[in-house]
Amino acid sequence: EVQLLESGGGLVQPGGSLRLSCAASGFTFSNYAMTWVRQAPGKGLEWVSAITGGGDSTYYADSVRGRFTISRDNSKNTLYLQMNSLRAEDTAVYYCTKDREGAKNEYWGQGTLVTVSS
Amino acid sequence: DIVMTQSPDSLAVSLGERATINCKSSQSVLYSSNNKNYLAWYQQKPGQPPKLLIYWASTRESGVPDRFSGSGSGTDFTLTIGSLQAEDVAVYYCQQYYNPPLTFGGGTKVEIK
Repeated sequence: EVQLLESGGGLVQPGGSLRLSCAASGFTFSNYAMTWVRQAPGKGLEWVSAITGGGDSTYYADSVRGRFTISRDNSKNTLYLQMNSLRAEDTAVYYCTKDREGAKNEYWGQGTLVTVSS
Repeated sequence: DIVMTQSPDSLAVSLGERATINCKSSQSVLYSSNNKNYLAWYQQKPGQPPKLLIYWASTRESGVPDRFSGSGSGTDFTLTIGSLQAEDVAVYYCQQYYNPPLTFGGGTKVEIK
């Protein structure tokens, strides 16, 4: 059974940093691209970033490029999102998702809440 | 960036009736080399993460009831719930995965009339 467990969310001040983690199990992690999607309270979905299975290619939304860094450790079956220079508008639930050939966001974690506030 | 526009923002449908949601992309998401539309639909119920319903614009994900169907090509797409059930109350999103950033539509809230 595929499981994705996000962690690392919390309250942070504007300008601060957080690192989110997503522990994956139930599939061969290194074979699949992974994605972060976020959802601000009461709002819609926003694609944030994605990384290929080997970690050689990464992609970012314009809203986070230069501030967020996606990475993965295939030996630990873990996906990361390093978030720097956080802003109030980054407040959201952050979901980790697994992609597969031909389809994106096949599986979703339960999400972790990031709140950026002073 | 490809902009995804969904309509309507919300709709109320009687149980057993058809619900239709539209999604329009600002540019074609049809990849000519394989003739596939890089368009997916998701369902999000309150308090839950989204769930993949349809990919390639019209291919139902495993386990998704056949009352859900997707259609369209190029820039115009439709999600149809053939006979609305109580458990279908949710927000539905389209997403293009033709080009990064992989943008979502704004969502359509489906309720029971």
